[in-house]
Amino acid sequence: DAGVTQSPTHLIKTRGQQVTLRCSPKSGHDTVSWYQQALGQGPQFIFQYYEEEERQRGNFPDRFSGHQFPNYSSELNVNALLLGDSALYLCASSWGQGLGNTGELFFGEGSRLTVL
Amino acid sequence: DAKTTQPNSMESNEEEPVHLPCNHSTISGTDYIHWYRQLPSQGPEYVIHGLTSNVNNRMASLAIAEDRKSSTLILHRATLRDAAVYYCILRGYSGGSNYKLTFGKGTLLTVNP
Repeated sequence: DAGVTQSPTHLIKTRGQQVTLRCSPKSGHDTVSWYQQALGQGPQFIFQYYEEEERQRGNFPDRFSGHQFPNYSSELNVNALLLGDSALYLCASSWGQGLGNTGELFFGEGSRLTVL
Repeated sequence: DAKTTQPNSMESNEEEPVHLPCNHSTISGTDYIHWYRQLPSQGPEYVIHGLTSNVNNRMASLAIAEDRKSSTLILHRATLRDAAVYYCILRGYSGGSNYKLTFGKGTLLTVNP
C-alpha cells in the first residue's frame, strides 16, 4: 500500500517564476493538507482540501493556491516566487473531514524547492 | 492557537527509556495532545495522541498530567532509529475535523550507541 507520494522531490526555480507541486494521498484518504517547512523550523500549515474545496487556510498570501482533483490528489501552486519561498513542502493526507476525526495525518517526504 | 513548550534538545543512550516533556498551560478542553516525530530527510510521522487519559501504542506511551497542562512522551527503550525531532502539538476541534497542526521547533533527540 503506497503511502503519500509527492513530486518532484527536488526543484530549483528563479525569483518571479511559478511552481506546481503534486501530491497523491494514501489509499482510502480523501483529505489533503499542505505544509511549508523552512530549514531548522517546524512545518507551517498552508491549507487543506476536501471535496475539491479549500476548507482551512493558514497565514499565507494569495500567491499560494491549490487544487484537489476528483481522485483526491492535489496540487500546490506558488506564483511570483520569492527567495523566502525556499523550503520543504509537505503534503499530508487523512480522511473524514467534518466527522471529528481525531486521528493521524500521514505525511509524504516532501518536495524541496530552492529559489535563486 | 494554544502554544506548547518543549526543550530544544535531549540526549539518551540506546536501550534506555526516554521521557520527552511538553508544557501546554493554555490548553483548552477540546484540545487533543498529539505527538509527531521527524526523522532526517523525511516528513513528520505520527507517534501518539490523547485527550485526558494516558495512552499506549506500539511506538510509545503518552502520560498526561491530571490538569492537562503538561504531558510526557515516553519511549520505553530508545534505539538509534528513534533519533529525530519530536513535536508536541495541540489539535483543537470545534464541530469538525481540524487539519491545521501548529508545529513548534520540537525537541531534537540524540540517541547514543
